[in-house]
Amino acid sequence: QQQVKQSPQSLIVQKGGISIINCAYENTAFDYFPWYQQFPGKGPALLIAIRPDVSEKKEGRFTISFNKSAKQFSLHIMDSQPGDSATYFCAASEGQLTFGSGTQLTVLP
Amino acid sequence: ETGVTQSPTHLIKTRGQQVTLRCSSQSGHNTVSWYQQALGQGPQFIFQYYREEENGRGNFPPRFSGLQFPNYSSELNVNALELDDSALYLCASSQNHPGNSPLHFGNGTRLTVT
Repeated sequence: QQQVKQSPQSLIVQKGGISIINCAYENTAFDYFPWYQQFPGKGPALLIAIRPDVSEKKEGRFTISFNKSAKQFSLHIMDSQPGDSATYFCAASEGQLTFGSGTQLTVLP
Repeated sequence: ETGVTQSPTHLIKTRGQQVTLRCSSQSGHNTVSWYQQALGQGPQFIFQYYREEENGRGNFPPRFSGLQFPNYSSELNVNALELDDSALYLCASSQNHPGNSPLHFGNGTRLTVT
């Protein structure tokens, strides 16, 4: 059973554009929602995280929006840059992380 | 501050063999988790160790086993390797348990089973 569903599978945006990745979860016991960035040949690196008592968190160009009632959360990357090209994973935790299936982001120069 | 290091980086094994993967946790971290990442997929939780005891396990068979040592380094052992075990194996450490402290991942061991 896939507990965290992520979309889209791939995303292409122009430099300077906004990248939006969406995730939905089923388990209401999840209480921590991080996003990870992974470059080829590297392990995932924590980008930003949110807890369900907050509806939005912003760090630099990265923003998480969280909708507890809909059991959905999303990552927004403002002013996307070619260096942001990577695979992004959402995750949810109730002690251990359950990851989404990933979104391969390509930012065109 | 030393990050999470894993060894070896790549490994090729034959079906039916056994393999041991190693992980050194980030300094100050007492919890280690192992994940399996198949090509094009998100990481799947295998198990977690806190203070040398397993305290969480994902949907993996008993032939996947592990250890955590007093210095918080860890091993993942896989017996009777199958072709589907081919994947990137990721180790992650965190500072506190229980709770949702940020996980810091190593760069993984790429295991190929032929």
